[in-house]
Amino acid sequence: DAGVTQSPTHLIKTRGQQVTLRCSPKSGHDTVSWYQQALGQGPQFIFQYYEEEERQRGNFPDRFSGHQFPNYSSELNVNALLLGDSALYLCASSPRGARNSPLHFGNGTRLTVT
Amino acid sequence: DAKTTQPPSMDCAEGRAANLPCNHSTISGNEYVYWYRQIHSQGPQYIIHGLKNNETNEMASLIITEDRKSSTLILPHATLRDTAVYYCIVRRNSGNTPLVFGKGTRLSVIA
Repeated sequence: DAGVTQSPTHLIKTRGQQVTLRCSPKSGHDTVSWYQQALGQGPQFIFQYYEEEERQRGNFPDRFSGHQFPNYSSELNVNALLLGDSALYLCASSPRGARNSPLHFGNGTRLTVT
Repeated sequence: DAKTTQPPSMDCAEGRAANLPCNHSTISGNEYVYWYRQIHSQGPQYIIHGLKNNETNEMASLIITEDRKSSTLILPHATLRDTAVYYCIVRRNSGNTPLVFGKGTRLSVIA
């Protein structure tokens, strides 16, 4: 049973460019959340998707957007990249209907903006 | 902001029990205590969670004080592979509430 998978594992972009990161949730999970983890910090919540709509959002600008597909997979898009966007981007999935179900995380995409 | 306070780092001898403390003095009645850990270059891994009773699974035990203002995660026989950053998180009992991470405790298991 595959867990949460993310691609690519590493990415280098130039300031001002746009990037798309991808996530496939754990089998049986329909809710996907994205987190940003800067070096030396804990992960910070970006947003959450289920039923193909953004349901909750953390304190991140509109440059960060997402999408969820009918098969529950998800994309995170970041426009107009800044140096400060360099971080580990984590995807987590969970089953929406199960109260207090733990989130399962992927191993992330390491984004470097130069 | 995170609602928990943890020591920034701890050491533990291999084979001994690792006891990781967490303060959550403002916890609400409908909030659970969750523990995750993050091994270098990997995503956070769920360990255990509880509301008010002590919990045990194959990875660890969670001891929550009677007033629920603090808890301790216990790894009974720490190994070198348990070296990681451990996060204590309080999470509202309401659907898919996001996790709010602090900086966690960096546990170093020493041979």
